[in-house]
Amino acid sequence: DTGVSQDPRHKITKRGQNVTFRCDPISEHNRLYWYRQTLGQGPEFLTYFQNEAQLEKSRLLSDRFSAERPKGSFSTLEIQRTEQGDSAMYLCASSPRGTGGYNEQFFGPGTRLTVL
Amino acid sequence: DAKTTQPNSMESNEEEPVHLPCNHSTISGTDYIHWYRQLPSQGPEYVIHGLTSNVNNRMASLAIAEDRKSSTLILHRATLRDAAVYYCTTNPTLLGIQGAQKLVFGQGTRLTINP
Repeated sequence: DTGVSQDPRHKITKRGQNVTFRCDPISEHNRLYWYRQTLGQGPEFLTYFQNEAQLEKSRLLSDRFSAERPKGSFSTLEIQRTEQGDSAMYLCASSPRGTGGYNEQFFGPGTRLTVL
Repeated sequence: DAKTTQPNSMESNEEEPVHLPCNHSTISGTDYIHWYRQLPSQGPEYVIHGLTSNVNNRMASLAIAEDRKSSTLILHRATLRDAAVYYCTTNPTLLGIQGAQKLVFGQGTRLTINP
């Protein structure tokens, strides 16, 4: 098990361009989360998938953001018409199905986006 | 979502115990209390969690106040590798789905360990 992986690790883009990030969760983890972290702040929840279904979206996820998890395995997060305010670290986490009331979330290393 | 409040920074010496406090006065009765830590250039890493009772694991101990409005993460013998930002989080259950929670992070405490 290699843990949660994210690609790319760094992305520099110009304002107005579209970007797409990929997250590969730990295999057999059916729960997948996206968070965003700006400099000096803790991560903020963006969205949650259970298998392929996107069950919760934060108000932070504007219309320019879209996330998918087509086969219930890897997930993509796309940002259209990027703005300088989108510059942040985008973190993906996964957790197993489990049977209890709590499941630890395993985070990937993140994708750092810089919008010029 | 319950907010957490932590000191911005703390400093300790190697091989000494460290007590990291957290206030979560608006936590609901069913929200877990978690601690994650984040090393430079890495994603957060789970440390420990609890609901009402004190908890111990190989990494740390978690002491939860009787009224659940505060908790303390205890590192029994800090090492240089424990230098990180420590986040106390709550986790409202998403859509009532057991085991599906979003983590609500505060700003965290930056822990510095002196050799």
